[in-house]
Amino acid sequence: NAGVMQNPRHLVRRRGQEARLRCSPMKGHSHVYWYRQLPEEGLKFMVYLQKENIIDESGMPKERFSAEFPKEGPSILRIQQVVRGDSAAYFCASSLGNNQPQHFGDGTRLSIL
Amino acid sequence: QKEVEQNSGPLSVPEGAIASLNCTYSDRGSQSFFWYRQYSGKSPELIMFIYSNGDKEDGRFTAQLNKASQYVSLLIRDSQPSDSATYLCAVPRRGGNTGKLIFGQGTTLQVKP
Repeated sequence: NAGVMQNPRHLVRRRGQEARLRCSPMKGHSHVYWYRQLPEEGLKFMVYLQKENIIDESGMPKERFSAEFPKEGPSILRIQQVVRGDSAAYFCASSLGNNQPQHFGDGTRLSIL
Repeated sequence: QKEVEQNSGPLSVPEGAIASLNCTYSDRGSQSFFWYRQYSGKSPELIMFIYSNGDKEDGRFTAQLNKASQYVSLLIRDSQPSDSATYLCAVPRRGGNTGKLIFGQGTTLQVKP
């Protein structure tokens, strides 16, 4: 499968736990983006990364959220001490370059008990 | 004023008709525009992108861009029930080195057999 791969597809956490979401970009793509979609709301940008660099994190909450895209391996979106309001669908997208079409993965549905 | 605006609908058309979906944007300098289709519970799927004024056709889909009036449209000819979905308009945020896509709220299309 040459598409954007996200895992897990579904993740259940209890309040206070950590959630770790993974994304492998489409083959040949080095630009990765994370978006969040809350129930009945639109897609909101969170962060834009290239290998080993965070380019734009203007959409990331200031606390508890972090992202990385290491030299080897997938991009990781980490949410510490999760709260009920973190329940959402988290989508990863990748592109060949900036301002190029972004292709989305299947998303991770995060549920907080 | 929202950066990207769409009528949330639902837009209901009979099977075989032309569905017309509209999107307006606030940044007059925007250069590229993307249309995504999102089925309920699924991820956004890129269906069209357009950079230049005028029309771009791909199968049953036509994207129309009018930069002077700051709107972009998506026409779906010979609409099928399988086209029933939410259609998202997205515009890249300009400035800096951001790859951020600004999404509209989406228009829900219902194609009735």
